[in-house]
Amino acid sequence: AQRVTQPEKLLSVFKGAPVELKCNYSYSGSPELFWYVQYSRQRLQLLLRHISRESIKGFTADLNKGETSFHLKKPFAQEEDSAMYYCALSEGSARQLTFGSGTQLTVLP
Amino acid sequence: KAGVTQTPRYLIKTRGQQVTLSCSPISGHRSVSWYQQTPGQGLQFLFEYFSETQRNKGNFPGRFSGRQFSNSRSEMNVSTLELGDSALYLCASSSRGGGTVWELFFGEGSRLTVL
Repeated sequence: AQRVTQPEKLLSVFKGAPVELKCNYSYSGSPELFWYVQYSRQRLQLLLRHISRESIKGFTADLNKGETSFHLKKPFAQEEDSAMYYCALSEGSARQLTFGSGTQLTVLP
Repeated sequence: KAGVTQTPRYLIKTRGQQVTLSCSPISGHRSVSWYQQTPGQGLQFLFEYFSETQRNKGNFPGRFSGRQFSNSRSEMNVSTLELGDSALYLCASSSRGGGTVWELFFGEGSRLTVL
């Protein structure tokens, strides 16, 4: 069965510092990987997906199949990046996500 | 475009009762998924419906059921409620079109408390 691990429950960085949120997965096939974000008092929403190879709000994530990782990175954190971040995996064409436990990011002024 | 709408937003039930939660997807979206969110287990997939058919089901007991109507609106039902069913139930819709680029659009959730 697929599994997504986010080892850090809490992560604090200072404004302007680089930030990396870790995500590791276990899945035997070719997964689709996503990062979802929930800002305070807002809905859970998609941040980015690996298949699109995009950069959203300065965040990027590279799928490393050898290390089975999909870490989220941003070179210069902003206070508005403070939120709960979830890594998620989908297998095949199923519209079914397996979520990690989430990392609460706090960007300090 | 209106987002995913869930009702009720909050409800309190007692053990043994049953509950029905409702979800209206984004207009044009035909796939509706349900997730349970708890502090201990995090976000867990319950089931997905597409065109009134259940396409996928998570590892939950048969007390959890759902259905989808012809207008894509969905309901989920939990019978014989247990204390452990207290959770935030999230509904998400997706266009489930062709191709591999897709995303889930989540509602604000229905907060169920079982006493």
